[in-house]
Amino acid sequence: GAGVSQTPSNKVTEKGKYVELRCDPISGHTALYWYRQSLGQGPEFLIYFQGTGAADDSGLPNDRFFAVRPEGSVSTLKIQRTERGDSAVYLCASSSSKSAGELFFGEGSRLTVL
Amino acid sequence: GESVGLHLPTLSVQEGDNSIINCAYSNSASDYFIWYKQESGKGPQFIIDIRSNMDKRQGQRVTVLLNKTVKHLSLQIAATQPGDSAVYFCAENLANDYKLSFGAGTTVTVRA
Repeated sequence: GAGVSQTPSNKVTEKGKYVELRCDPISGHTALYWYRQSLGQGPEFLIYFQGTGAADDSGLPNDRFFAVRPEGSVSTLKIQRTERGDSAVYLCASSSSKSAGELFFGEGSRLTVL
Repeated sequence: GESVGLHLPTLSVQEGDNSIINCAYSNSASDYFIWYKQESGKGPQFIIDIRSNMDKRQGQRVTVLLNKTVKHLSLQIAATQPGDSAVYFCAENLANDYKLSFGAGTTVTVRA
């Protein structure tokens, strides 16, 4: 497809479990972002990749969260020892620009931690 | 004096009328602003952007106004249609930065 693809679209897990969320950006986009959106709120920045490296991970809430982009394309957001407060929609976006320009968002992965 | 639009979390508009959505941004050093539309169950979708060296920009049925003096941004939608029902977010960005900071959204409901 031409857009940003995220899987799974929905994930229900139990407290304490490990979760992986995948993002497949638009082909050729070097910049990739993860945002988190809680109910009724705007998206909050988590981490930014330019190519393979995490240029800024200052938005990750704690060390249970980690993200990789080993080949500069697909990215995986990993959450260890999930907590109920991690429940949110995790949005991935990609861009062809090195500075903030138009971000193309995926439809998100809705995570529910029971 | 010049009025400053209040941010309202919800806006109900009659189909065919014009909509005005307001946003107050936080950082006077912000250089770039974007409006996004988010429909239920979907990711935000780009509508229009504006840089700080401009005070107005027009697109198809949409106009963005920027007032840097009072740090206020507005989105005007002409002849609002049912498909315009969504949550609208403004986002700001510092010069040469890559992070967007999103504001609290406004839920627009179009009445038939």
